[in-house]
Amino acid sequence: EVQLVESGGGLVKPGGSLRLSCVASGFSFSDAWMSWVRQAPGKGLEWVGHIKGKTDSGTTGYAVSVRGRFTISRDDSENTLFLQMNSLKSEDTAVYYCTMSSGSFDSWGQGTLVTVSS
Amino acid sequence: DIQMTQSPSTLSASVGDRVTITCRASQSINSWLAWYQQKPGKAPNLLIYRASTLESGVPSRFSGSGSGTEFTLTISSLQPDDFATYYCQQYNSYPRTFGQGTKVEIK
Repeated sequence: EVQLVESGGGLVKPGGSLRLSCVASGFSFSDAWMSWVRQAPGKGLEWVGHIKGKTDSGTTGYAVSVRGRFTISRDDSENTLFLQMNSLKSEDTAVYYCTMSSGSFDSWGQGTLVTVSS
Repeated sequence: DIQMTQSPSTLSASVGDRVTITCRASQSINSWLAWYQQKPGKAPNLLIYRASTLESGVPSRFSGSGSGTEFTLTISSLQPDDFATYYCQQYNSYPRTFGQGTKVEIK
């Protein structure tokens, strides 16, 4: 059974940084394309970015809204996905979901809430 | 970016009703479309991918159709567990984009 467990959310001031983690199990993590998707309170879903599996060189892609501020990485030895978020803005306040993605977002974690506020 | 537009935004229906949600893409996405169900406080759950393929474990009352720019999600007989918000999502190109959601409410 696929399991994705996010952690690292919390309250951070504008301009601050936060690092989210997602521990994966139940599938071949190193080959999997992984994505982060976020949802602002009461709003819809927004793709944040992705990282390809090792056979696809682990390249990354980002939404324009976070490019240059957010970085996705992975530690295949620990089956863990990361989202490093810098220069955070109030509009980054959202629940952040880790997903296993093959195009569609096949499996989702429970999400972790990030609140950016002074 | 490809814009995804769902209609209606809200739908009121009764148990047993046949329900249809439409999703339109701003340009052709072939059949690279997925549908998700989300309940309050929970993560979305994949229902359908490649426009019409039912994800394993999803009840057969859910079905999807369409290609190009127009797609539909149909629930053949609405059940109490189906009251939720539904999203479409294209994966023809980056950035991946979602529709704004359709909330299915109890009539």
